[in-house]
Amino acid sequence: GAVVSQHPSRVICKSGTSVKIECRSLDFQATTMFWYRQFPKQSLMLMATSNEGSKATYEQGVEKDKFLINHASLTLSTLTVTSAHPEDSSFYICSARKGPSTDTQYFGPGTRLTVL
Amino acid sequence: AQSVAQPEDQVNVAEGNPLTVKCTYSVSGNPYLFWYVQYPNRGLQFLLKYITGDNLVKGSYGFEAEFNKSQTSFHLKKPSALVSDSALYFCAVRDIGGNTPLVFGKGTRLSVIA
Repeated sequence: GAVVSQHPSRVICKSGTSVKIECRSLDFQATTMFWYRQFPKQSLMLMATSNEGSKATYEQGVEKDKFLINHASLTLSTLTVTSAHPEDSSFYICSARKGPSTDTQYFGPGTRLTVL
Repeated sequence: AQSVAQPEDQVNVAEGNPLTVKCTYSVSGNPYLFWYVQYPNRGLQFLLKYITGDNLVKGSYGFEAEFNKSQTSFHLKKPSALVSDSALYFCAVRDIGGNTPLVFGKGTRLSVIA
């Protein structure tokens, strides 16, 4: 199956700093990548959808200036949490899809962000 | 709008017994349906999907799911549960057409007891 990696797997930062999370599709080209957020014992909440070379589409209630998404290539997307606060602490999971909507979405292992 | 319901927060089953994790969905058109499994502090692993064709879909680790259009259901099943199947299971749906993302159910925690 297709492999999606995320880096870092875990990060702890101070309040007010910015954190960048990378998502890579290792053995396929991903035309579309997704970023999800998961709170403890809850489902995945879609934050944004990004297509390579274009601006991300954010879900309602997600601040695009706070959660910056860049999909610079067909194998890399980054999520930057700017001016992080403790309430941004969460498990962030990226997902990648090769092409059309019939394709499977493959998920990265997730990044645990803790903001002190 | 599309949505998924997983009516059970928790399912307990004895090892060796059959298991079922329920899922119902709502979409405006025809659905693409998926099951994923999540182990603690890990991302989601793909189990199986229904796009079209045979209503019974077989996936990884001996899991299968049956698409029932009249009942708008896509229950996950396995004939004989293993302790290692204990995890969090997510059903997801996407409407056919467009660049729509997956919508997930809230998840069902499966505990297989030895």
